[in-house]
Amino acid sequence: QQQVKQSPQSLIVQKGGISIINCAYENTAFDYFPWYQQFPGKGPALLIAIRPDVSEKKEGRFTISFNKSAKQFSLHIMDSQPGDSATYFCAASTSGSARQLTFGSGTQLTVLP
Amino acid sequence: GAGVSQSPSNKVTEKGKDVELRCDPISGHTALYWYRQSLGQGLEFLIYFQGNSAPDKSGLPSDRFSAERTGGSVSTLTIQRTQQEDSAVYLCASSLMRTGGTGELFFGEGSRLTVL
Repeated sequence: QQQVKQSPQSLIVQKGGISIINCAYENTAFDYFPWYQQFPGKGPALLIAIRPDVSEKKEGRFTISFNKSAKQFSLHIMDSQPGDSATYFCAASTSGSARQLTFGSGTQLTVLP
Repeated sequence: GAGVSQSPSNKVTEKGKDVELRCDPISGHTALYWYRQSLGQGLEFLIYFQGNSAPDKSGLPSDRFSAERTGGSVSTLTIQRTQQEDSAVYLCASSLMRTGGTGELFFGEGSRLTVL
């Protein structure tokens, strides 16, 4: 019930295109859904996050869409750029004194110039 | 530096040897995490420290793995009698826990362990 399933495993997009990465979860107690971005040789870094009281959050070219009833959330990267090429991890956690994130398996995004 | 610092960045060891990996979190961050990232895999939670509370060791894969955090700051992850399946990147993260806050995790660049 703690698992977060992420797809696709890899994604190739042309420059200027839209990249979409999907995640699904089972634990209805999850109430915090961040996305982390990881470049080769670096640690993951927080990109954008959403709570289930809203259905969408946008920051620049990055948008999280959240469907509470379907227990799914997705990351959309508009106008994808070669510099966006990285591995993206979705994650989920529950509020409380110990915030442990359950991570998805990651999506390796390649944006072709 | 201002970020999470991990050492060594790379470690090659022989099967059966013990290794120690070090993490120096961001100053003032009360929470510290260790994760393991195997090639092409996601992030596997290992252990969590929060202030002076007992650590959450629920993610440690075997009793060969242990970790401590001294003085609420630096942490050391120890792997005894290393096995080839222990080969991975070990990531440390810290966060500033706030009531009702997001607790954003700040990751180090990891320690890449190769067991021959």
